[in-house]
Amino acid sequence: EPEVTQTPSHQVTQMGQEVILRCVPISNHLYFYWYRQILGQKVEFLVSFYNNEISEKSEIFDDQFSVERPDGSNFTLKIRSTKLEDSAMYFCASSEGTSGSGETQYFGPGTRLLVL
Amino acid sequence: AQSVTQLGSHVSVSEGALVLLRCNYSSSVPPYLFWYVQYPNQGLQLLLKYTSAATLVKGINGFEAEFKKSETSFHLTKPSAHMSDAAEYFCAVTLTGGGNKLTFGTGTQLKVEL
Repeated sequence: EPEVTQTPSHQVTQMGQEVILRCVPISNHLYFYWYRQILGQKVEFLVSFYNNEISEKSEIFDDQFSVERPDGSNFTLKIRSTKLEDSAMYFCASSEGTSGSGETQYFGPGTRLLVL
Repeated sequence: AQSVTQLGSHVSVSEGALVLLRCNYSSSVPPYLFWYVQYPNQGLQLLLKYTSAATLVKGINGFEAEFKKSETSFHLTKPSAHMSDAAEYFCAVTLTGGGNKLTFGTGTQLKVEL
């Protein structure tokens, strides 16, 4: 069964450093997402991406964050200058993108980011 | 705005007992509702979803949920718990015509005891 993959599974970085989290969505999916889950808190939406542009973003997704689909398979989340509060589990998800709201989003296993 | 509330951050049941995980939603337009499960060190897996076709939704692993508009609820049930059901369960909502942003509840950790 096709699945969303994410690399790395764990990343430790120093405050102020740039990190890039990578995701490979399911191959025929058109909608991509990033969510994050700070330890002990709920899963929060960051951004959705469709047709090579951001379709929606949350207030969390400020200028320090960016997303990119650099090729036909990868979808990346970049944090330019990490802060301690960016420490979280980051989940990538994808959906078919053909039926609008209510589509099933398929999640990857997550990248645990620790900012020191 | 949309939101979900999950009552009970931890639920413990005996193996073979009924599982009931509660979820209430708030939305100004008809919602789509989802239950996801997260096993340790894994991603979120869809259990079932409500998209207005039928109010009683059956999912994987014997789980089901009933959409009750009058109660704004979408509680998850399973008649007989199994040890393998121990995991964290998340209720989520997205809105018709509102894009695909999922808004999650805080999650319920299910413990199954012998």
